[in-house]
Amino acid sequence: NAGVMQNPRHLVRRRGQEARLRCSPMKGHSHVYWYRQLPEEGLKFMVYLQKENIIDESGMPKERFSAEFPKEGPSILRIQQVVRGDSAAYFCASSPPEGGRGYTFGSGTRLTVV
Amino acid sequence: GEDVEQSLFLSVREGDSSVINCTYTDSSSTYLYWYKQEPGAGLQLLTYIFSNMDMKQDQRLTVLLNKKDKHLSLRIADTQTGDSAIYFCAESSSGTYKYIFGTGTRLKVLA
Repeated sequence: NAGVMQNPRHLVRRRGQEARLRCSPMKGHSHVYWYRQLPEEGLKFMVYLQKENIIDESGMPKERFSAEFPKEGPSILRIQQVVRGDSAAYFCASSPPEGGRGYTFGSGTRLTVV
Repeated sequence: GEDVEQSLFLSVREGDSSVINCTYTDSSSTYLYWYKQEPGAGLQLLTYIFSNMDMKQDQRLTVLLNKKDKHLSLRIADTQTGDSAIYFCAESSSGTYKYIFGTGTRLKVLA
């Protein structure tokens, strides 16, 4: 079991470019959660997705951010027209359909906007 | 809103016990978690405790919960250099999937 896989591990984007972050959940997990960790802060919830459905996006900034979890393939967190304040570590977690205690997190994508 | 607080740094000598503390504000917290983050890595779930428990022990780890004071602690016995990492406290309420994380405590173990 490969665990939750995120790529890329590091991503550098210039201001105004688009960033695409990918997350493949653990085998058998159909629920995906994205969290953001700003420097010197804890993780903050962004969005919760199931296959082809966004369940809760209350933690997502209203503009420029979107997420999807298609029927096939990884979950994608997309940030359009990135700004310096988007620089952070973005973590994905997954859980099985029946839930359970304690998410399994990926290693994260560290986004740097220059 | 809900908040979880931790001290930022802790330094201990190898072989000593480490105690990492956490306070939270949400009275409806049902589960409390401890995660470990090593440099450049993701978060590894160490342990969790249900709010109707006072204590949970798992090998070198002991979790104490004081629900009245909303205080959670993680004790690591016989701390080793491999325990050097950032430790995050998190809480969630029953029926919710959102975890509220603290800012993390950076544990440094001195040889």
